[in-house]
Amino acid sequence: EVQLVESGGDLVQPGGSLRLSCTASGFTFSTYWMSWVRQAPGKGLQWVANIKQDGSEMYYVDSVKGRFTISRDNAKNSLYLQMNGLRAEDTAVYYCAGAWRAWYYFDSWGQGTLVTVSS
Amino acid sequence: DIQMTQSPSTLSASVGDRVTITCRASQSISSWLAWYQQKPGKAPKLLIYKASSLQSGVPSRFSGSGSGTEFTLTISSLQAEDCATYYCQVYNTLYTFGQGTKLEIK
Repeated sequence: EVQLVESGGDLVQPGGSLRLSCTASGFTFSTYWMSWVRQAPGKGLQWVANIKQDGSEMYYVDSVKGRFTISRDNAKNSLYLQMNGLRAEDTAVYYCAGAWRAWYYFDSWGQGTLVTVSS
Repeated sequence: DIQMTQSPSTLSASVGDRVTITCRASQSISSWLAWYQQKPGKAPKLLIYKASSLQSGVPSRFSGSGSGTEFTLTISSLQAEDCATYYCQVYNTLYTFGQGTKLEIK
């Protein structure tokens, strides 16, 4: 069974940092492009970042460029999102999601982890 | 950037009804469109990809159609468990989601 489990969400002050993790099982993690997708409370879905199978390419939505860094460790079947300079508008549930091909639809999703940015 | 617009934003229908949700792209996206279902407190679930291909395990009452700039998701006979928010998504380029359509059961 394909499983993605996120962790690391927390309450953090504006300007603070947080690192999210996503651990995969049930499929060959190293063959998938992986993404982070977020959903602000009561709002729709927004793609945040993605990373190629070998970690050699990363892409970001404009609003997080220079603040967030996506990375992966295929030996640990894990995906990460380092979030710096957090703002109130980054408050959301963050999902990790997988696609078997670059820029393809997401056929696997985690359950999400909540990040709240507030003083 | 490509903008995706869904209509309606909310929809109320009865069990057994045929339901249609529309998604329009700001420019042609060929058939690079997916549909997802999201129930409250849960992760999105892939229903349809490449505009009309049904994801494995998804009930056959769900179908998708369209190409270019206009797409539809149809539920042929609404079931109570279909109460959810539905999102369209363009892919094969930067990802963009529609704003969602909340489907309620009368």
